[in-house]
Amino acid sequence: DAGITQSPRHKVTETGTPVTLRCHQTENHRYMYWYRQDPGHGLRLIHYSYGVKDTDKGEVSDGYSVSRSKTEDFLLTLESATSSQTSVYFCAIATGDSYEQYFGPGTRLTVT
Amino acid sequence: KNQVEQSPQSLIILEGKNCTLQCNYTVSPFSNLRWYKQDTGRGPVSLTIMTFSENTKSNGRYTATLDADTKQSSLHITASQLSDSASYICVVSAATNAGKSTFGDGTTLTVKP
Repeated sequence: DAGITQSPRHKVTETGTPVTLRCHQTENHRYMYWYRQDPGHGLRLIHYSYGVKDTDKGEVSDGYSVSRSKTEDFLLTLESATSSQTSVYFCAIATGDSYEQYFGPGTRLTVT
Repeated sequence: KNQVEQSPQSLIILEGKNCTLQCNYTVSPFSNLRWYKQDTGRGPVSLTIMTFSENTKSNGRYTATLDADTKQSSLHITASQLSDSASYICVVSAATNAGKSTFGDGTTLTVKP
């Protein structure tokens, strides 16, 4: 998986609780992305980062925030989880924008 | 609006047979087109990446074609194997839409013995 790990791999949480997902890379790639994947939908971009402390919104960013304080780590936070955020979350990395993206193994999040 | 449409949505073939998956896009200006394979429960893995000047790219039994004029791509799988059962995703990046590649919904391929 191109030196990408995601943690946790599975999580069940209750509505209204905060949740943080972590993406860690060992490739020193500049770009990092968070996607969600739901049945009937393709991968949808939540947020991405083009450098330390440099982030931007994707098409489904509402209810999510991100932080990147180090090149290797990109955190996705759900401030107050809702059932609509039940999904599989994938992190991806790339050497440059619009370049080949390498995906992590995914985190399955269930909000009850 | 940038869009990527894949067809068929799902496909069932017998082991050893060939198949072709389609991808039509409206992304502009075009930067590159990528095909990914996603096994159940795993992250997508890159198969091919093509830029404007490339019209064919192979990776083993997988061959992707690109017609930038008609904005169409296909992924041809030769002599299918049971391990080819997966979702195949077409992704197109625009030259000016930083960080926002457009993903197709994927084609689910099932290879039966």
